[in-house]
Amino acid sequence: EPEVTQTPSHQVTQMGQEVILRCVPISNHLYFYWYRQILGQKVEFLVSFYNNEISEKSEIFDDQFSVERPDGSNFTLKIRSTKLEDSAMYFCASSGRGLGVETQYFGPGTRLLVL
Amino acid sequence: KNEVEQSPQNLTAQEGEFITINCSYSVGISALHWLQQHPGGGIVSLFMLSSGKKKHGRLIATINIQEKHSSLHITASHPRDSAVYICAVRTPMNRDDKIIFGKGTRLHILP
Repeated sequence: EPEVTQTPSHQVTQMGQEVILRCVPISNHLYFYWYRQILGQKVEFLVSFYNNEISEKSEIFDDQFSVERPDGSNFTLKIRSTKLEDSAMYFCASSGRGLGVETQYFGPGTRLLVL
Repeated sequence: KNEVEQSPQNLTAQEGEFITINCSYSVGISALHWLQQHPGGGIVSLFMLSSGKKKHGRLIATINIQEKHSSLHITASHPRDSAVYICAVRTPMNRDDKIIFGKGTRLHILP
């Protein structure tokens, strides 16, 4: 069964460093999402992406964050200058269609620790 | 005020018991998801509902749009059902949906 994959599974970085989290969505999917979950808290929406541009973003997704689909398979989340509070599990998801008509498939997550 | 409220927050039950987890929301939605988060952190989508009822194996999900309420039921619960169950709603924005998550219900099934 096709699945969403994410790399790395864990990343430790120093405050102020840039990180890039990578996701490979399911190959025929068109809608891509990033979420984060701070330890012990609920999952939070960051951004949705369709047709090579951001569709929606949350208040969390400020200028420090960016997303890109650099080729036909990868979908990346970049954090330019990490802060301690960026430590969280980051989940990528994809769906064949957006607008609430199809389920999303989640990747296993990348656990980011900012020291 | 949280836009998505789940109850209970924690639930411990004996193997074989019938489990109900509730979700209430206060926003207009296009769909509602029930997700399962395993102890290792991975998230699996169980159901997406916009009306009525869905069943998959021992899992049943219902939604009442007028009452803004959904329930997830597990019949003949088993220790492997132990996980956090998350309700998430999709609320329409300008071009796509925003998804709002509940805090989750931690379920522990005792053998």
